[in-house]
Amino acid sequence: TQLLEQSPQFLSIQEGENLTVYCNSSSVFSSLQWYRQEPGEGPVLLVTVVTGGEVKKLKRLTFQFGDARKDSSLHITAAQPGDTGLYLCAGATGTASKLTFGTGTRLQVTL
Amino acid sequence: NAGVTQTPKFRILKIGQSMTLQCTQDMNHNYMYWYRQDPGMGLKLIYYSVGAGITDKGEVPNGYNVSRSTTEDFPLRLELAAPSQTSVYFCASSRGQGASYGYTFGSGTRLTVV
Repeated sequence: TQLLEQSPQFLSIQEGENLTVYCNSSSVFSSLQWYRQEPGEGPVLLVTVVTGGEVKKLKRLTFQFGDARKDSSLHITAAQPGDTGLYLCAGATGTASKLTFGTGTRLQVTL
Repeated sequence: NAGVTQTPKFRILKIGQSMTLQCTQDMNHNYMYWYRQDPGMGLKLIYYSVGAGITDKGEVPNGYNVSRSTTEDFPLRLELAAPSQTSVYFCASSRGQGASYGYTFGSGTRLTVV
């Protein structure tokens, strides 16, 4: 069974602060995806990274895929209350594009 | 464009009862998945399908069954409900196999077994 460990599990910060969420595994994935989930809703795809070492930016969010394609990070600059939610990383294997989800990082951004 | 629709949103079952969680998508996606999400545990794959008539087990299939008679529908059947099946269930779909295809999720069904 492939495991994806996320850290930290919980993060409570004030508006304007920066933060980084980590996603680590001992397994190699063909791609790594990040989702954000709000209460009562399903996860929503933020980004997919495919190439080892790849960096993608989505406004204030920066995603990086590790060189060995075993880990990833999500950095948020100048966090806003609208960033509050559960962040999930998910690694894809080649078979049927099945995703293995990480344990999640719950982020709360307060004014 | 509705995306992935799940019904019901909430359900309370008694131990031993059965029910079907409905999932339908209107994006003509070949790949569909059922996950369960327990508090603090992330999402675990129950069953998946790569096309009509084809289904396969995921990581936690015991106590569940699925069918895929059409591209649009992928119902999940719970037989003899147990308290361990209390969870939030998510259905998802994807356009196809490939690293760049993300999942589209439904809004979930919150199931409580008492």
